[in-house]
Amino acid sequence: GAGVSQSPSNKVTEKGKDVELRCDPISGHTALYWYRQSLGQGLEFLIYFQGNSAPDKSGLPSDRFSAERTGGSVSTLTIQRTQQEDSAVYLCASSFSRDRRGSRSGNTIYFGEGSWLTVV
Amino acid sequence: SQKIEQNSEALNIQEGKTATLTCNYTNYSPAYLQWYRQDPGRGPVFLLLIRENEKEKRKERLKVTFDTTLKQSLFHITASQPADSATYLCALGGNYGQNFVFGPGTRLSVLP
Repeated sequence: GAGVSQSPSNKVTEKGKDVELRCDPISGHTALYWYRQSLGQGLEFLIYFQGNSAPDKSGLPSDRFSAERTGGSVSTLTIQRTQQEDSAVYLCASSFSRDRRGSRSGNTIYFGEGSWLTVV
Repeated sequence: SQKIEQNSEALNIQEGKTATLTCNYTNYSPAYLQWYRQDPGRGPVFLLLIRENEKEKRKERLKVTFDTTLKQSLFHITASQPADSATYLCALGGNYGQNFVFGPGTRLSVLP
């Protein structure tokens, strides 16, 4: 697609329920990132996928959070047993492969518009 | 641990003036640094990238400098306009496999 697509754009869920957030990266991008942004706060790194390498999960806040990327394209972020503090906008981004030699796009990452999650 | 600071949470300037935003970092050796703009309710949008071996980059009314000795980047918007009002984020990128690390952002308001 033309840009990074995320769904749903808005989600209201009850505390304790599981939620799935989907990200469709830009075609051809091998790197995919998930970030979380609470109201008025900066971006918090969650997880990073690069090609077929093992994902960097160092930013996941708890074992209730998991993510997968099927076929090197679409990614799903799953939050189990949601808590009110999980309320935030979840941003997905993608880019070409990153390395010191640079990439065709200069390692720019392109963000989706986010999935706004509210846990009530 | 890695730390990125941006000069202030909010910055107000008068239309037509030059806005200068600062990004400082510690415990990091980035290969490049990027600046993004974020409007309320939207995802960040890429503005400029500057590599470790570059001192300055320009794009229209935007100018970015990168001083790896001071561990600092300055982001300038000349002839600022109310439409430039947004939050500006700096992000550091390192070697292959490292994550992008974002600063907390500076909310710029250009007053007419």
